[in-house]
Amino acid sequence: AQSVAQPEDQVNVAEGNPLTVKCTYSVSGNPYLFWYVQYPNRGLQFLLKYITGDNLVKGSYGFEAEFNKSQTSFHLKKPSALVSDSALYFCAVRRSGATNKLIFGTGTLLAVQP
Amino acid sequence: NAGVTQTPKFQVLKTGQSMTLQCAQDMNHNSMYWYRQDPGMGLRLIYYSASEGTTDKGEVPNGYNVSRLNKREFSLRLESAAPSQTSVYFCASSEAPGARGAFFGQGTRLTVV
Repeated sequence: AQSVAQPEDQVNVAEGNPLTVKCTYSVSGNPYLFWYVQYPNRGLQFLLKYITGDNLVKGSYGFEAEFNKSQTSFHLKKPSALVSDSALYFCAVRRSGATNKLIFGTGTLLAVQP
Repeated sequence: NAGVTQTPKFQVLKTGQSMTLQCAQDMNHNSMYWYRQDPGMGLRLIYYSASEGTTDKGEVPNGYNVSRLNKREFSLRLESAAPSQTSVYFCASSEAPGARGAFFGQGTRLTVV
């Protein structure tokens, strides 16, 4: 079975400060890991992915994520938060191989205060 | 570029009624998904279709059926709607494993009264 945990329902950060949104996963075999962002009343938008290679992945809007195999984590980071980054963030995992099932975490609401 | 198109955007059903949510993608993707989003539960996979002609159950398939009509279209049917199926439903599509992740539709807000 595969699963994703996002331990924080909400993360609060001041504008200009660095932000981290945490994600841990459980999957057999090699994982494909993803981050998505959802703005109010919208569908999810792809931010970044880790498939293989460099553990630090850069994505859209200045976000990056670090894959840590030993800790089974894939935390989302940004050096300097913007108020416009306020949204719901979802981590997702897919097992490599034939199956394409994409499993999501419960989401973390990021609130950036001006 | 349309991407993933879902219809309808909003729907109110009475308990016991049936309806079909439509989804179409124009990106020539092999895989398509149906998720439901509920507060505090994140997105839960209802059904998915890894390729045309195949469908598989996800985490919460009970009360739903799906049809992969062709490569473009993947519909979700509620045969007898229940209040517990009140949710926001998202359709998504993706290329083969390891590609750019999934592309999502705008969602269907369904209320069952």
